[in-house]
Amino acid sequence: AQKVTQAQTEISVVEKEDVTLDCVYETRDTTYYLFWYKQPPSGELVFLIRRNSFDEQNEISGRYSWNFQKSTSSFNFTITASQVVDSAVYFCALSEAYAGGTSYGKLTFGQGTILTVHP
Amino acid sequence: GAVVSQHPSRVICKSGTSVKIECRSLDFQATTMFWYRQFPKQSLMLMATSNEGSKATYEQGVEKDKFLINHASLTLSTLTVTSAHPEDSSFYICSARSGQTYYGYTFGSGTRLTVV
Repeated sequence: AQKVTQAQTEISVVEKEDVTLDCVYETRDTTYYLFWYKQPPSGELVFLIRRNSFDEQNEISGRYSWNFQKSTSSFNFTITASQVVDSAVYFCALSEAYAGGTSYGKLTFGQGTILTVHP
Repeated sequence: GAVVSQHPSRVICKSGTSVKIECRSLDFQATTMFWYRQFPKQSLMLMATSNEGSKATYEQGVEKDKFLINHASLTLSTLTVTSAHPEDSSFYICSARSGQTYYGYTFGSGTRLTVV
């Protein structure tokens, strides 16, 4: 069975601080996909990144960066110079591979981390 | 890009009535759709996987007779909450597998159900 753990329930920072959201996962699959989503108060899920299990390269997109380490089953997310608009709930999620690894199976979400950025 | 339209966005219904939520893929064919439920300040919990032309697969603990899922076409899946009760009040979100696109899944904007 798959499991995603986001140990930080709530994080509060002041604008311009850097913040890292932790994500640890469990799976027996050798092929899987990891995701991060942002959920603002409106409720819709905003896709941030997808990473497959064979690609351990870290990624940077503007103020966002992700650190994927298979050795520790972690996929952490860092926001640099946080802004008030970053306030939201952030979910890490894991998808099993499907159809021989060519598609996506069920998506399992972590508990979510509520990030509040104060001005 | 792939778009999923979910309606209604909000619904208030009386206890004992049924509510239908629609999820449509607008510009792609979605052979598989997923339905999630999210209680306040909690995570998204998968309720069922809906496959076009076949019966939905429900997760353990989800009452299939209460949450009826129909996926009669490649672009439409519906979730009907039958005989709704206040404890069914929640945020329901659908998603479609976006084939082999980078995004993997496309999510609807969600339906906030309040049963009074």
